[in-house]
Amino acid sequence: IAGITQAPTSQILAAGRRMTLRCTQDMRHNAMYWYRQDLGLGLRLIHYSNTAGTTGKGEVPDGYSVSRANTDDFPLTLASAVPSQTSVYFCASSDRTSGNNEQFFGPGTRLTVL
Amino acid sequence: QKEVEQDPGPLSVPEGAIVSLNCTYSNSAFQYFMWYRQYSRKGPELLMYTYSSGNKEDGRFTAQVDKSSKYISLFIRDSQPSDSATYLCAIDNAGNMLTFGGGTRLMVKP
Repeated sequence: IAGITQAPTSQILAAGRRMTLRCTQDMRHNAMYWYRQDLGLGLRLIHYSNTAGTTGKGEVPDGYSVSRANTDDFPLTLASAVPSQTSVYFCASSDRTSGNNEQFFGPGTRLTVL
Repeated sequence: QKEVEQDPGPLSVPEGAIVSLNCTYSNSAFQYFMWYRQYSRKGPELLMYTYSSGNKEDGRFTAQVDKSSKYISLFIRDSQPSDSATYLCAIDNAGNMLTFGGGTRLMVKP
């Protein structure tokens, strides 16, 4: 059982370029999330999806977009990357039908925008 | 004031010590409380989950919640070098978002 996979593991990107971070889960969880983790700021929610076909904004959504075409995949797109988007990005999922929000995290993507 | 406050550490203890990690929160609407462990260059992994005041024990780990004081703790007994990691508290108000503390870095020295 893989759980959550993310790709790429790391990426160096020129400012202004478009980038999509991939996330796939095999747990059939209905909810998925994208966080960024920065030193001193902890984990901050970017976007979330409670079920396939729906998405919502988190704490820091500007400059990012997501889509949820099916249960398993939740890609995060940076339309025009800026240096302040240099961070470690984590995808997570949870089974909201169970009544709680225990979230399971992927291994992360380290993104550097130059 | 942040909604969830956590001392960043680092906290350095000798092997076998009892470790106490703490978070305070400001929003009394928070209902569910979690502790995650994150090793260097890895994703957070869920350690403990509780939704009520009191203690919950799992092996060497005990999670404690005091809703009246808005204070949560994680105790680690007989700490091991393999416990060296960053520990994140996370709190859920039953909405869409978990609010995370900034994490406490723990180092257990042999």
